[in-house]
Amino acid sequence: DTGVSQNPRHKITKRGQNVTFRCDPISEHNRLYWYRQTLGQGPEFLTYFQNEAQLEKSRLLSDRFSAERPKGSFSTLEIQRTEQGDSAMYLCASSLGGTANSPLHFGNGTRLTVT
Amino acid sequence: EDKVVQSPLSLVVHEGDTVTLNCSYEVTNFRSLLWYKQEKKAPTFLFMLTSSGIEKKSGRLSSILDKKELFSILNITATQTGDSAVYLCAVSPKNSGGSNYKLTFGKGTLLTVNP
Repeated sequence: DTGVSQNPRHKITKRGQNVTFRCDPISEHNRLYWYRQTLGQGPEFLTYFQNEAQLEKSRLLSDRFSAERPKGSFSTLEIQRTEQGDSAMYLCASSLGGTANSPLHFGNGTRLTVT
Repeated sequence: EDKVVQSPLSLVVHEGDTVTLNCSYEVTNFRSLLWYKQEKKAPTFLFMLTSSGIEKKSGRLSSILDKKELFSILNITATQTGDSAVYLCAVSPKNSGGSNYKLTFGKGTLLTVNP
């Protein structure tokens, strides 16, 4: 069990640029989640996948954000035309779905700074 | 909308003290309440509680859930400097398969343990 892996660890970008983050979940986990965390706040749910299907998206996920999980394994989160308000830690988590009531396990996150 | 309120928001204690962290919640179709510890990076899983009155214990940490009053507590006895972290409480509703899926987090309690 190598845990949830996220890349890059840090990303600094200029306003208006596009960025893409990658998440590799724990290998046997079929559910994958994206969260955003800002300073002094708990993580906020953005979206989740069961296998390759994106089953729910938060209203926090504007149309500049898109997430994919093309083969039901790794996932990418893309932010287009970044804004300073997008600066945050982006956390990925995974869990077992179905009848297993497993907890979510988080990666170390990608810290995005938009200048 | 699901909601989690944690108290206190911050706490400073001396090594050896015992602390109690509080979490109250509102969730539609409750499935689980989870506690996480967050240092500089990933929230790490501590406990998952699904039934009232059953204490979960791991070393010096323990937690219990009251589903009637909609709250949980996390106790840490004989605190050590390594316990310094943000402790996050989260709740999950039940999805159609009956398992956890997305989590709603509180803002966390920042615990500082001084030597």
